[in-house]
Amino acid sequence: GENVEQHPSTLSVQEGDSAVIKCTYSDSASNYFPWYKQELGKRPQLIIDIRSNVGEKKDQRIAVTLNKTAKHFSLHITETQPEDSAVYFCAASRTGGGNKLTFGTGTQLKVEL
Amino acid sequence: EADIYQTPRYLVIGTGKKITLECSQTMGHDKMYWYQQDPGMELHLIHYSYGVNSTEKGDLSSESTVSRIRTEHFPLTLESARPSHTSQYLCASSESVGGELFFGEGSRLTVL
Repeated sequence: GENVEQHPSTLSVQEGDSAVIKCTYSDSASNYFPWYKQELGKRPQLIIDIRSNVGEKKDQRIAVTLNKTAKHFSLHITETQPEDSAVYFCAASRTGGGNKLTFGTGTQLKVEL
Repeated sequence: EADIYQTPRYLVIGTGKKITLECSQTMGHDKMYWYQQDPGMELHLIHYSYGVNSTEKGDLSSESTVSRIRTEHFPLTLESARPSHTSQYLCASSESVGGELFFGEGSRLTVL
């Protein structure tokens, strides 16, 4: 089955700096890579996703890049703000193939003033 | 508004009690899931269902059981709660297998 590794487990940045979270996956057939944000005491919510037919996707201050050859994908947050502080989870799946989403272990991001 | 609803949000019970965590969704999704999560930690899939009368165990072994008698309803039951069951339980649904997951707000269980 799929295995997703996520690094780092904790990340502390100064407000305004960029943050990068990296994930690797094992199943070369995986084709869907979402990122979820979970604020303290809240439910995880999808913030951005990418499919295997594109290499990069941006949405305002967040972007995700995908390297299919190396089987890794990354979340980039620019101009970080205190409200970006949360736990971020990457995930991978093979849609249409009956494979459930497999989550990474999460990254605790803290944006310091 | 389409959403996933979980009750209770918080529950404190004694060891040996039977509890049922309720999950209902108005998303119109066939696929539903239960995850167990300690605060800020990994999401562990404990049960899932792809339709009525279909349930499967997830990646993490759990003493809980689930049922799926109606499409919109996916309750989780613990027959005899123990302190090791103390955790947050998140219900989720998706339109397709491997597709975007929509989570409920969670049920935080404390077993004394």
